[in-house]
This record gives sequence, C-alpha cells and structure tokens, in this order.
Amino acid sequence: GAGVSQSPRYKVAKRGQDVALRCDPISGHVSLFWYQQALGQGPEFLTYFQNEAQLDKSGLPSDRFFAERPEGSVSTLKIQRTQQEDSAVYLCASNLDTGALGTGELFFGEGSRLTVL
Amino acid sequence: DQQVKQNSPSLSVQEGRISILNCDYTNSMFDYFLWYKKYPAEGPTFLISISSIKDKNEDGRFTVFLNKSAKHLSLHIVPSQPGDSAVYFCAANTNAGKSTFGDGTTLTVKP
Repeated sequence: GAGVSQSPRYKVAKRGQDVALRCDPISGHVSLFWYQQALGQGPEFLTYFQNEAQLDKSGLPSDRFFAERPEGSVSTLKIQRTQQEDSAVYLCASNLDTGALGTGELFFGEGSRLTVL
Repeated sequence: DQQVKQNSPSLSVQEGRISILNCDYTNSMFDYFLWYKKYPAEGPTFLISISSIKDKNEDGRFTVFLNKSAKHLSLHIVPSQPGDSAVYFCAANTNAGKSTFGDGTTLTVKP
C-alpha cells in the first residue's frame, strides 16, 4: 500500500480481555516501530524491529505486551489481560533504514485507539 | 525524567506572522532532530529535520534552528497559514534509531 496501515482503528475492550493490533508497513521498509500515545502526551517508544528481528523492546511496559513481525513485514502488537491504564492510541511507524541509523524520518499509520473499560 | 520537552502546550498566532515553536532536550547523545506535524485522528507526519553537525536547516516556509550548547531547538514557520494549525512534535534520535518525542505544542493560526 501507499502508506502505513493499522487495524482496527478503534477497539473497545473489557478489562481482562486480550487484544491484537495489526500494522502493515510501507512495502520495502526494513524498520518498524510501535509507539504508545496517551492523551495529551507525545508518542512513547514501545519496541523496534529490523526485518523480523526485534532489536529493542525496552519500552514495553509489562510482560502483558508482546509484539511480533514473523516475516519481516506485517507486525502485531498483542496486549494480554488489558487494564484501564492501557487505554491509549497505539501508533505504528516504518522507516526505510538506509543504513544511517537514526537519521531517517518515520512514516506513521493513523493509529489504533484502544479504550479499556 | 523527560528527555525531550516542549514547554509550551499551545501557541496562537495571526495569519502571515511568524510561528516559533521551541524544544529542549537533556540527552547529549541525541544527534538527529526532527519535527512532526499531526492533525486530529491522523498519525504524525514528518516536517523537517536537522543533524547535530548543523545549526540551521531550511525548507520553504519552515526553518529549524539547533543550539547544541543550550540543548535547544526551534521551528520557525513564516508566514504562518491557517492550514498550519496542528499539533507539532519535536523528536530526537540517537544512533540506536529510536525517536524520543516531546509532548507537543498545539499551534492555532488565526485568519
């Protein structure tokens, strides 16, 4: 596709439910990032993939959060036993990764808004 | 401890005037800085960037200034247009690749 695609755009979950959020990055983009954005705040880093390898997961807030990118393209962020504090917009971004790590801009999807009741 | 700070949550300017958005950072390992623009219900979109080896980068109406000694950068928009009304995020990268974002400044440009 032309841009980063995320689904679902909106998700309402009952506390304790598991959710899965999908990201389809721009074709050919090597790097894929997940960010969490709480209301009124900037995006907070969760995890980063280069192809299928998860190189950094230091931002995942707990072991209830899990991300995968098994074939180096589509990625899924899974949140188990959701809690109210998980309510946020989850942003996926991809990057061409020209080799000069840290100098490329991120291309963001529209985000998945999760509300946990 | 927030490593990237945008101390002004909002800014209002008149159309045609200059908009100046500010950003401060604390981590001296940051070596690349970016500004993103975000409209409601959309993801952030890249606007302009600057490497730490430069002090200015210009792209049309947008100029980013970097003062490394003060750990401060600013985004200048001139002339400001109503379509520039959005949330602007400052972001900083280390060579590890991930971006650290500020909390954003909401810019309103009044016709």
